Amino acid sequence: SAVISQKPSRDICQRGTSLTIQCQVDSQVTMMFWYRQQPGQSLTLIATANQGSEATYESGFVIDKFPISRPNLTFSTLTVSNLSPEDSSIYLCSVERGPGNTIYFGEGSWLTVV
Amino acid sequence: QKEVEQNSGPLSVPEGAIASLNCTYSDRVSQSFFWYRQYSGKSPELIMSIYSNGDKEDGRFTAQLNKASQYVSLLIRDSQPSDSATYLCAVNYGGSQGNLIFGKGTKLSVKP
Repeated sequence: SAVISQKPSRDICQRGTSLTIQCQVDSQVTMMFWYRQQPGQSLTLIATANQGSEATYESGFVIDKFPISRPNLTFSTLTVSNLSPEDSSIYLCSVERGPGNTIYFGEGSWLTVV
Repeated sequence: QKEVEQNSGPLSVPEGAIASLNCTYSDRVSQSFFWYRQYSGKSPELIMSIYSNGDKEDGRFTAQLNKASQYVSLLIRDSQPSDSATYLCAVNYGGSQGNLIFGKGTKLSVKP
């Protein structure tokens, strides 16, 4: 498994502002992944963050709205920009370890936009 | 469109019974299959992975995979109230690493 720490664990933000979520992993990993879980919904991959290159975004997610940084092999940030109530979700950082592309998740960041 | 389908439940079983959770997936090229448990207010926790047809047992948990039927299940024996959670089925279709397709989850309630 992996120890994955996220900050903040919870936040309430005003619409129109931005929130940056930090993710720290206990060992070096090539790729880090950001998922979103909207209320009552399943998890959806936002983007894959490789160190030293731009993040790769999934369909429906754009860099202007979800800029990602990956400054080193143990750390990444996800910013959710120009917040709206529809952005209220759990945002999850994850890494891949072991056989079969097993994904392990951080504790999650609960965002409420008011 | 790759999809993972689960019965949303809630599935209610008495303590000590066997809980059976089911999942179907749409694409035959799927390679890896996972079950995650998510307690309310918590992030998903991996409980089982399975890659080949048949059964895989880990303690009270058994994962079953049938690729011909595109079906994966999770059995929980001797269910405990602490097993009450939402169980997420996830499938890796062999595309970009980390790109799991998740079902919406089945909510399990184990009654004392």
